[in-house]
Amino acid sequence: DGGITQSPKYLFRKEGQNVTLSCEQNLNHDAMYWYRQDPGQGLRLIYYSQIVNDFQKGDIAEGYSVSREKKESFPLTVTSAQKNPTAFYLCASSIVSAGGSGELFFGEGSRLTVL
Amino acid sequence: KNQVEQSPQSLIILEGKNCTLQCNYTVSPFSNLRWYKQDTGRGPVSLTIMTFSENTKSNGRYTATLDADTKQSSLHITASQLSDSASYICVVSLYGGSQGNLIFGKGTKLSVKP
Repeated sequence: DGGITQSPKYLFRKEGQNVTLSCEQNLNHDAMYWYRQDPGQGLRLIYYSQIVNDFQKGDIAEGYSVSREKKESFPLTVTSAQKNPTAFYLCASSIVSAGGSGELFFGEGSRLTVL
Repeated sequence: KNQVEQSPQSLIILEGKNCTLQCNYTVSPFSNLRWYKQDTGRGPVSLTIMTFSENTKSNGRYTATLDADTKQSSLHITASQLSDSASYICVVSLYGGSQGNLIFGKGTKLSVKP
């Protein structure tokens, strides 16, 4: 079935450790995104990519890094520089639309807890 | 400043009742508005998309409206079911913007009780 797969679903990390969240899609979408969701807040964009080997910072990119070596994959690394990393992370993909963003297809999310 | 405001923040209704969720936006230039449903602990799923020229669009028991003049949208849920318990997120896309130019509301948390 076509869709987006995020892993792991739950992750615990000690302070000072980097962690990488995986995101894979088989929808043949060019654009991929990472969002962070905190209780009572709207989704906030961390990074997005419209094409392989290119990505752009979103509103809250500090303390995060990404790569886009393949069209299907867009992993997110939460580094030790991220001061408050405990959150629910959502990966999404879409077609690239000239008039505005296409429909976002989301993964099931990864919940990161820093101990 | 581009913003999307949703109301109410939370809502509790009895199974079988109808309800209406509101979304007001100050986004320009406007491209489209989508409503997403997010079950607890899951990723959001698109319900409807509204473009500038559309006033009403239905998806089963969900009906979205758009008033581009007043920059308001509503999502009406008819004959609610327990499975409608979720957060409903309003998302507005900027016209001509990059793919990252989406403005998210904070969502309305709906609880349907038996």
